[in-house]
Amino acid sequence: NAGVTQTPKFQVLKTGQSMTLQCAQDMNHEYMSWYRQDPGMGLRLIHYSVGAGITDQGEVPNGYNVSRSTTEDFPLRLLSAAPSQTSVYFCASRVGVGELFFGEGSRLTVL
Amino acid sequence: GESVGLHLPTLSVQEGDNSIINCAYSNSASDYFIWYKQESGKGPQFIIDIRSNMDKRQGQRVTVLLNKTVKHLSLQIAATQPGDSAVYFCAEKTQGAQKLVFGQGTRLTINP
Repeated sequence: NAGVTQTPKFQVLKTGQSMTLQCAQDMNHEYMSWYRQDPGMGLRLIHYSVGAGITDQGEVPNGYNVSRSTTEDFPLRLLSAAPSQTSVYFCASRVGVGELFFGEGSRLTVL
Repeated sequence: GESVGLHLPTLSVQEGDNSIINCAYSNSASDYFIWYKQESGKGPQFIIDIRSNMDKRQGQRVTVLLNKTVKHLSLQIAATQPGDSAVYFCAEKTQGAQKLVFGQGTRLTINP
């Protein structure tokens, strides 16, 4: 049972480049979400989804797009990366109102 | 507004002592609270949760206390071990909402 899998684990981008952070879960969880973690800022919610075809914005959605075409996958897209998006990104999923299961994180550096 | 904060950013305790990590929240409509542990380079891991209809919940070596009157949450770790060294986050969810709001975290350091 893999849980929540994020790829890539590390990525370096130049300003203006685009990329997609992948997230997949094999627990049949309806709810999936993306957080970013910056020093001293805790975890801030970017986008979330309560099921396939449904997405919504979190606290810091600007500069990020998401889609949810399947229950298993919830990719996060950066269309034009900026240095302010340098961060560690975590994908998480859950069933019902219980605990969130987190992936191991994707460390992104934008130069 | 909705916010979750911590009283102390760092906590240092002796191995074998009990640790208490505190968390304040401001939203009286919060109905679910959860504690996570994050070790360096890893994703947050669930420790324990509590619903607003409870005051206390115990797990293995951990206890969560909820005081709704003063909007305060605490995590107690008994007989702290070196493996407990990590950053601890509290998070809360508002009734009817989906998202979890996280606090900034407390770094727990265990002295031998």
